[in-house]
Amino acid sequence: ETGVTQTPRHLVMGMTNKKSLKCEQHLGHNAMYWYKQSAKKPLELMFVYNFKEQTENNSVPSRFSPECPNSSHLFLHLHTLQPEDSALYLCASSQGGGEYSPLHFGNGTRLTVT
Amino acid sequence: AQSVSQHNHHVILSEAASLELGCNYSYGGTVNLFWYVQYPGQHLQLLLKYFSGDPLVKGIKGFEAEFIKSKFSFNLRKPSVQWSDTAEYFCAVNAPLGTGRRALTFGSGTRLQVQP
Repeated sequence: ETGVTQTPRHLVMGMTNKKSLKCEQHLGHNAMYWYKQSAKKPLELMFVYNFKEQTENNSVPSRFSPECPNSSHLFLHLHTLQPEDSALYLCASSQGGGEYSPLHFGNGTRLTVT
Repeated sequence: AQSVSQHNHHVILSEAASLELGCNYSYGGTVNLFWYVQYPGQHLQLLLKYFSGDPLVKGIKGFEAEFIKSKFSFNLRKPSVQWSDTAEYFCAVNAPLGTGRRALTFGSGTRLQVQP
């Protein structure tokens, strides 16, 4: 049990679909993150939220739209994706900005874009 | 942009062999360093971390890592690996992004396979 729950575990979507990934943390943390994990590539930081405010958008295309309604929930809205967006999307949380607090990761959502 | 390099992409060892996984980073200022591990089918979890003080840090399950500032390195070691150490290992550095804020930058990972 990680304390960070991601749903769904697997998602297959067409390029014209709209879908959302959900993340919920039960650790009382105030920072949440989206990372993209592609095969043989480093984890790529996508977005950072601190106390519900977006503090980092790492040059992510607008077809990825994050939403953080409160410190426990984080969404990633997907629209008009490309096949190269297929990857494992990881949510993480930390106490504070993560500089000294380790990240706690969820199990990820395996996304396939057809 | 900051980068983290893990030069060993796939390592195969026999049980009881010694392990050393390389990690180098590019940022020249103050950094916080981490090793994360991902066991098959499981989430990424923290193995050990370095913030300051003794450059030799000890983590869980007998792992240790040494911070060598002059070499920009933070190599992971274990004297005797076990089959249960089969996993993917990620080095991460907390350093400033282009915006000035700090966040974790990860390496591409090293897949360790321990043969019984």
